[in-house]
Amino acid sequence: DIQMTQSPSSLSASVGDRVTITCRASQGIRDDLGWYQQKPGKAPKRLIYAASSLQSGVPSRFSGSGSGTEFTLTISSLQPEDFATYYCLQHNSYPWTFGQGTKVEIK
Amino acid sequence: EVQLVESGGGLVQPGGSLRLSCAASGFTLRSFWMTWVRQAPGKGLEWVANINQDGSEKYYVDSVNGRFTISRDNAKNSLYLQMNSLRAEDTAVYYCARTNGFDPWGQGTLVTVSS
Repeated sequence: DIQMTQSPSSLSASVGDRVTITCRASQGIRDDLGWYQQKPGKAPKRLIYAASSLQSGVPSRFSGSGSGTEFTLTISSLQPEDFATYYCLQHNSYPWTFGQGTKVEIK
Repeated sequence: EVQLVESGGGLVQPGGSLRLSCAASGFTLRSFWMTWVRQAPGKGLEWVANINQDGSEKYYVDSVNGRFTISRDNAKNSLYLQMNSLRAEDTAVYYCARTNGFDPWGQGTLVTVSS
């Protein structure tokens, strides 16, 4: 099984900050990775697909990069509505696996 | 409106069974792969199972393989998850989602396995 190691597990940031979250795959997964945002009590929402493509309707302050084993989600200027938990998901091979999550909290 | 609505969750004893349903509206289920994802209380997301358009391909996470069965009834525009031999560690909110685009998701249904 492919393991997805996500870091950090949590971070505190202020509105306007640039935030970076990383996922590392235990083996190469090409660009078969998505990034998801989840707010408490809500279903997840996909932000990025194919590692770097922005889902329709998602603000351009979100961006993704990477290929192979190392991937990054960047929020260029953190907004109040961005405080949430973020997950990566690899769909290169079964079983699909999520990262452990990164909780973004208000500083 | 494109929508998924789960039902069927509840309290069940260890070793028991439960069948979750996911009703699709606003789109034709038969055209899409579908996915179940779960989230234990206070924990992260876990992919559970996928099924292709005609039900001929099914994939499961190892921890449920042999106990859970994903299925679909395209005529009823519905997806299902039959869960047998339930364990305490299966306690979670279960979400269905359209795999293509991972949108929409259902609102989730809570399954609690406890004596």
